[in-house]
Amino acid sequence: SAVISQKPSRDICQRGTSLTIQCQVDSQVTMMFWYRQQPGQSLTLIATANQGSEATYESGFVIDKFPISRPNLTFSTLTVSNMSPEDSSIYLCSVARAIYGYTFGSGTRLTVV
Amino acid sequence: AQTVTQSQPEMSVQEAETVTLSCTYDTSESDYYLFWYKQPPSRQMILVIRQEAYKQQNATENRFSVNFQKAAKSFSLKISDSQLGDAAMYFCAYRSAGQGNTPLVFGKGTRLSVIA
Repeated sequence: SAVISQKPSRDICQRGTSLTIQCQVDSQVTMMFWYRQQPGQSLTLIATANQGSEATYESGFVIDKFPISRPNLTFSTLTVSNMSPEDSSIYLCSVARAIYGYTFGSGTRLTVV
Repeated sequence: AQTVTQSQPEMSVQEAETVTLSCTYDTSESDYYLFWYKQPPSRQMILVIRQEAYKQQNATENRFSVNFQKAAKSFSLKISDSQLGDAAMYFCAYRSAGQGNTPLVFGKGTRLSVIA
């Protein structure tokens, strides 16, 4: 299965600022998925990033708040913009190499103060 | 839309004993995939076991096995000979079998404690 390098592993940010999270995959993949995991909660899909097209956002998530880039088949970034304490969560990227070969990054623990 | 329900927020098991985690799902699709993921405190999502809906035989991976009841839309995970390292959050997940890669839909998770 794919190996994903996700950075940063954690950060503490001031409200009103932005943080960009990076995911680098060791091989080419068509789609990358970005999830949010609020404290003690399950994973919620933010958006699906397909190379060469705009990301597709789930209900409740908007591009202005969570802009995503997908410049090539091995890399993607998620930016959390104009942060507030409610954005404090774990953010994870994921890829599917085969029908059931889902792999996750190690997650970014974001704390907004 | 598909939904996944895990009705046990927390479970505990004695070391070396067996525990079963419950999962039900709702879908109108006939072909799909089901997964159990483990998330230890390190946050890393680790695939425990997977099941293709078209297969009647229940999947097994060493100490982990599932009871897949398609008609009842039930997908429980049995952990045998529980070990301290099994303590983690366990998430049940669903994936459509349509064309292309589709994201996983997760349940709310079950926190498993293992008592020495």
